[in-house]
Amino acid sequence: EVQLVESGGGLVQPGGSLRLSCAASGFTFSPFRMHWVRQAPGRGLVWVSLISGDGKTTNYADSVKGRFTISRDNAKNTVFLQMNSLGAEDTAVYYCARDQNGLGYWGQGTLVTVSS
Amino acid sequence: QSALTQPRSVSESPGQSVAISCTGTSSDVGAYDYVSWYQQHPGKAPKVMIYDVTKRPSGVPDRFSGSKSGNTASLTISGLQAEDEADYYCCSWAGNSLAFGGGTKLTVL
Repeated sequence: EVQLVESGGGLVQPGGSLRLSCAASGFTFSPFRMHWVRQAPGRGLVWVSLISGDGKTTNYADSVKGRFTISRDNAKNTVFLQMNSLGAEDTAVYYCARDQNGLGYWGQGTLVTVSS
Repeated sequence: QSALTQPRSVSESPGQSVAISCTGTSSDVGAYDYVSWYQQHPGKAPKVMIYDVTKRPSGVPDRFSGSKSGNTASLTISGLQAEDEADYYCCSWAGNSLAFGGGTKLTVL
C-alpha cells in the first residue's frame, strides 16, 4: 500500500525555520517526481515545489523561491522541505504528493503555524 | 505563476449534472494535456478524480468526466449524489511547475 507520511510541522516564530519530511513506503520511490503543496486555513491548494526522481531538477513557487529548499534521499525514501525566513503567510497544512496519474497519492499533511 | 480560474461555488440537485470550469492560459491548460481534478472533503487530503484531462483512476465512478477546449478545462459530474458535496480543484502542468485553481465548492441541494 502506498503511503506518504509528513512530519516536522509545528509552531515557529516569524523569521524562523522548519524542516518538513515526507516518508514514502509501499512503492519504489526513486523514479517518481514529488511535490509539496500547501493549504492555508480556509483557503485553496497552492503548489510549492517539485523535485525530480533523481533530485537533479527542482523548482519553486515564486512566493517561496530563495527561502525554501526541496531535497530527497532516495536511500531513505524521504523528501524534505527546508523552510527559512518564515512569515505568517506561510501558515498552512503542507502536503507531499507523488506525481503519477496526476498527483495520485497524497500524505495526510502537516500543519505549520508561524506566529509569535 | 498564476492561479487557474474556477467558479467559487456551484450547486445542483441530486441526480442532476454539474460542470465546473477551469480557465488558464496558453502557458498551462492550453499548452499541455496534463490537467487533473481533485476532490477534497473537509479535513481530508485531496483525492485525484481525473488526470491527463480525461482519464479516471481506478475506483473513481464513471459519473466523473473531464474535457478541455483551448485554455479551459471542465469537470462534469453526472447523477449527483450527496457524497459528491466537496471542494474541487483543477490543476495543470505549467512547464516544470504546477498551477492550481482557486477551488469550487459543490453543494448538492
